Amino acid sequence: GAVVSQHPSWVICKSGTSVKIECRSLDFQATTMFWYRQFPKQSLMLMATSNEGSKATYEQGVEKDKFLINHASLTLSTLTVTSAHPEDSSFYICSATHGRVSADTQYFGPGTRLTVL
Amino acid sequence: AQKVTQAQTEISVVEKEDVTLDCVYETRDTTYYLFWYKQPPSGELVFLIRRNSFDEQNEISGRYSWNFQKSTSSFNFTITASQVVDSAVYFCALSSNNAGNMLTFGGGTRLMVKP
Repeated sequence: GAVVSQHPSWVICKSGTSVKIECRSLDFQATTMFWYRQFPKQSLMLMATSNEGSKATYEQGVEKDKFLINHASLTLSTLTVTSAHPEDSSFYICSATHGRVSADTQYFGPGTRLTVL
Repeated sequence: AQKVTQAQTEISVVEKEDVTLDCVYETRDTTYYLFWYKQPPSGELVFLIRRNSFDEQNEISGRYSWNFQKSTSSFNFTITASQVVDSAVYFCALSSNNAGNMLTFGGGTRLMVKP
């Protein structure tokens, strides 16, 4: 159990376009989903926390107008990178938990590699 | 504030050697949870273990074992008889009640197991 999927697994786009990444919990209801960004050979950087039915909470320094997060159901969250630029190229990973407490294990998706030309 | 430190950025061992990955954490909370994740070259983070702050018993799962010591704020991970498939980046992480269900990650340790 506790499987999280992401789509697409990789995407290449032109500068100025928008890209949507989907994160789905396949076999459980995810009250909370998280979006991370990871640069090569670095740790994960939390971008935002998304609770079903409410607005996402963004970490300091993350532009909410650039990284649009929607968590419309208990099994789906989307991250849209608007007007992407080459510096947005990165590995984006989502995770999901059953609940909202510290005891909840985060289960991660396989990640999406975004390359902006 | 919470912090997780993985002092070893890269470790290289030869197959069948034992290897220990260190993790030291800082938190002011008395209730907290520690995690280890494995990130193979494919990129997906694989959950390995969760340990709560009230349970200091060491845990063994096959070739994996974990040593949790509150006195030194450490949660070290040992792989016995390492295999090439163990090559990955391993992350230690911490969550606590005051931080909700957010994870604080260490910088990761890249383990390379050579045949």
